[in-house]
Amino acid sequence: DGGITQSPKYLFRKEGQNVTLSCEQNLNHDAMYWYRQDPGQGLRLIYYSQIVNDFQKGDIAEGYSVSREKKESFPLTVTSAQKNPTAFYLCASSNIQGRGDTGELFFGEGSRLTVL
Amino acid sequence: GNSVTQMEGPVTLSEEAFLTINCTYTATGYPSLFWYVQYPGEGLQLLLKATKADDKGSNKGFEATYRKETTSFHLEKGSVQVSDSAVYFCALSDRPALIFGKGTTLSVSS
Repeated sequence: DGGITQSPKYLFRKEGQNVTLSCEQNLNHDAMYWYRQDPGQGLRLIYYSQIVNDFQKGDIAEGYSVSREKKESFPLTVTSAQKNPTAFYLCASSNIQGRGDTGELFFGEGSRLTVL
Repeated sequence: GNSVTQMEGPVTLSEEAFLTINCTYTATGYPSLFWYVQYPGEGLQLLLKATKADDKGSNKGFEATYRKETTSFHLEKGSVQVSDSAVYFCALSDRPALIFGKGTTLSVSS
């Protein structure tokens, strides 16, 4: 089945450690996104990429890094510079090149990161 | 800039009650509007969408109408079920991404 796979589903990290969250899609979508979800704050955009080897900062990019070496993959690294990394992270994709594109995003199941 | 405001929860209802979750937006142009649903521990799923003024999106008994004159996209369902308990997000297209409201938690009891 086509979809978006995020791993791991749960991740624990000690303070000062970097951690990388995986996101893979087989929908052949051009654009991919990372959002952060905190209770009562909705979803906030961290980074997005519209094409391989290019990405743009979202509203809360500080302390995060990404890469887009393949169309299918958009990993997110949470660095030690992120002051409050405990959150639920959601990866999404969209077909921005398609006819009739409405801007709809397709989401993965999420990764919950806890800093100990 | 563009933004979405949705009613704060939690919303607690009995089974078969009528549901309304208010959503208003601020945007330039004519964005597409969406309602997403999130069940516990999961990602977001598209519930319904509308791409232009006066469009009505509908799915699984839920409906929302794109009202440009009131800049609103309120979610309604005539008779909720326990299985509808989830968090509901209103969103608008802000190409190339979406802007989300803060979410409204719905709890339905039998």
